[in-house]
Amino acid sequence: GAVVSQHPSRVICKSGTSVKIECRSLDFQATTMFWYRQFPKQSLMLMATSNEGSKATYEQGVEKDKFLINHASLTLSTLTVTSAHPEDSSFYICSADSPGGITEAFFGQGTRLTVV
Amino acid sequence: AQSVTQLDSHVSVSEGTPVLLRCNYSSSYSPSLFWYVQHPNKGLQLLLKYTSAATLVKGINGFEAEFKKSETSFHLTKPSAHMSDAAEYFCVVQDNYGQNFVFGPGTRLSVLP
Repeated sequence: GAVVSQHPSRVICKSGTSVKIECRSLDFQATTMFWYRQFPKQSLMLMATSNEGSKATYEQGVEKDKFLINHASLTLSTLTVTSAHPEDSSFYICSADSPGGITEAFFGQGTRLTVV
Repeated sequence: AQSVTQLDSHVSVSEGTPVLLRCNYSSSYSPSLFWYVQHPNKGLQLLLKYTSAATLVKGINGFEAEFKKSETSFHLTKPSAHMSDAAEYFCVVQDNYGQNFVFGPGTRLSVLP
């Protein structure tokens, strides 16, 4: 099946720095990718929808200037957490819809971000 | 708008006994429904999906789920639990008009020896 690769799997950064997370569709083209955030012991919450070649659509309450999303190609979307703070520590997961109109999402492995 | 309710935040079963994880959904249209499993610090793995074909859906690792429109339910079952089944399970709904997935709050399954 389709594969979505997310990198890095774990990252620790200092407060005030920026962190970039990559999400790649390895064997298919994804015009749309999704970024989710998961707090400990909670479900996933959609942060934004990333559209290739256009601006991302952010969910209510998500700061677009803090969580920068770039979808420059059909196989790559990036999420940059800018000026990270400890409260940004979380598990971030991306997904892409399967190709060919089949209703299924493929998820990346996730990124555990710890801001110290 | 769609929503998903998972009635149990935590289910504990003994190894070898049946598993039942409950899911109810709300959707304005005929939804696609999924169950995903998440092992600690890992991404999500699709267990099974319902997309308006057979109402009884068989997935990986012996799991299956039955779509009951009259009850708006999509409960996940497995005849015999294995230790490796211990994980977080998410019921997910997606309608036919959008691409977004709405996740339930999750059910943590513990399997006791």
